[in-house]
Amino acid sequence: DAGVTQSPTHLIKTRGQQVTLRCSPKSGHDTVSWYQQALGQGPQFIFQYYEEEERQRGNFPDRFSGHQFPNYSSELNVNALLLGDSALYLCASSYGLGNEQFFGPGTRLTVL
Amino acid sequence: GQQLNQSPQSMFIQEGEDVSMNCTSSSIFNTWLWYKQDPGEGPVLLIALYKAGELTSNGRLTAQFGITRKDSFLNISASIPSDVGIYFCAGLPTNAGKSTFGDGTTLTVKP
Repeated sequence: DAGVTQSPTHLIKTRGQQVTLRCSPKSGHDTVSWYQQALGQGPQFIFQYYEEEERQRGNFPDRFSGHQFPNYSSELNVNALLLGDSALYLCASSYGLGNEQFFGPGTRLTVL
Repeated sequence: GQQLNQSPQSMFIQEGEDVSMNCTSSSIFNTWLWYKQDPGEGPVLLIALYKAGELTSNGRLTAQFGITRKDSFLNISASIPSDVGIYFCAGLPTNAGKSTFGDGTTLTVKP
C-alpha cells in the first residue's frame, strides 16, 4: 500500500520563476492538502482539494495555486517566486475533508 | 487566525525518562492530532483524538483531548533514543479540513 508520494524531492529556482510540485495521495484517499513548512516552524496550511475543487484556503497569496486531477493526484503551482518561498512543501492526503491526514516526505524548494 | 501554543519548545532528557508536552489554543478544536517529524521527512501521525476528555494510547505514547477542547497533552513513557525528533500538535476546527499546527517540541534523548 503506497503512501503519499511527492516529486521532485528537491528543487532550486531563482526569483521570479515559476514552479510546479506534484503529489499522489495514499491509496483510497480522495482529499489532498498542501502545507508550507519554513525551517524551525510547524506546517502552514496553503489549501485543500476535494472533488477537483479548492475547498479551503489558508493565508497565502494568489501566486499559490493548485489543481486536483480525476485520479485524486494534485499539483501546487507557485508563480513569481520570492526568496521567502524557500521551504519544505508538504502534501497530505485523507479520506474526506474532516479526517486525519497522512503526509508525504515533502519537496524542498530553494529560491535563490 | 487560529494559533496553537506548543510547549516546551525543546527538551533534553535521559533515556528511560518520561516526557510530557502540551498544546493550548484560544479556539476550540473538534479534533486534536499529534505528529512526529524526523529530519528530511514529512510528519507521521502518532495519535488522533476526537472527543473532549478522550485519553488514547499508542504503545508508550498517551495523548489526551482537553475537556475545554482548547488543549491537548502528549506523554511518552520510558523514552528511548529513537524517540528523538520534533513532535507537532495539530487541531482541526468544527468546520473540518483546515489543520492548524503548533511550532513543535524538539526532543533529544541522551543514551
